[in-house]
Amino acid sequence: SQKIEQNSEALNIQEGKTATLTCNYTNYSPAYLQWYRQDPGRGPVFLLLIRENEKEKRKERLKVTFDTTLKQSLFHITASQPADSATYLCALVTGGFKTIFGAGTRLFVKA
Amino acid sequence: ETGVTQSPTHLIKTRGQQVTLRCSSQSGHNTVSWYQQALGQGPQFIFQYYREEENGRGNFPPRFSGLQFPNYSSELNVNALELDDSALYLCASSLGDSGRAGYNEQFFGPGTRLTVL
Repeated sequence: SQKIEQNSEALNIQEGKTATLTCNYTNYSPAYLQWYRQDPGRGPVFLLLIRENEKEKRKERLKVTFDTTLKQSLFHITASQPADSATYLCALVTGGFKTIFGAGTRLFVKA
Repeated sequence: ETGVTQSPTHLIKTRGQQVTLRCSSQSGHNTVSWYQQALGQGPQFIFQYYREEENGRGNFPPRFSGLQFPNYSSELNVNALELDDSALYLCASSLGDSGRAGYNEQFFGPGTRLTVL
């Protein structure tokens, strides 16, 4: 069956450290993978998109990798800050119109 | 501020009733997607509209239907509400190319919280 899995347990890290979140998928062949941030009671906010032929993408303190052989994406936040505390969602894009989200990982950054 | 607005923000209905949720897209966006998000879960794709036509649908029954208007705003209609329909309903707009919304950044609205009693 098709599955997208993100760490179900919350990730707690100290301010200044690098947070690494994982997204694994099975039985999908996504053309694109996206990462979103969601704060409580609000809609997701787009962060980064990476294509299947790209290995890595960076934006400021954020870095995403995409390994289609391992069927895995890693999302890194360097020099993390308490304001980075939120739920982070990965999403696969298949067929151009269908976006399939994982359940998300909650990140807590302690000052 | 994303520019995508949804109304109402909260809604309480009883089982068997019908509901209409509304979404105003970001200016210039021609594609709207609707999602259902249960507590503690990721958004689940319901369907997508591109230039007033439905061009993709997730695993939701026909009692979930929608419309997109010429100004690209959109409605989600749910008939015969069930308790499990209680969720946050999100719409997302994007600038699609032949409806390939997922290839571009999606801008989400704040959602409508639906409670079915």
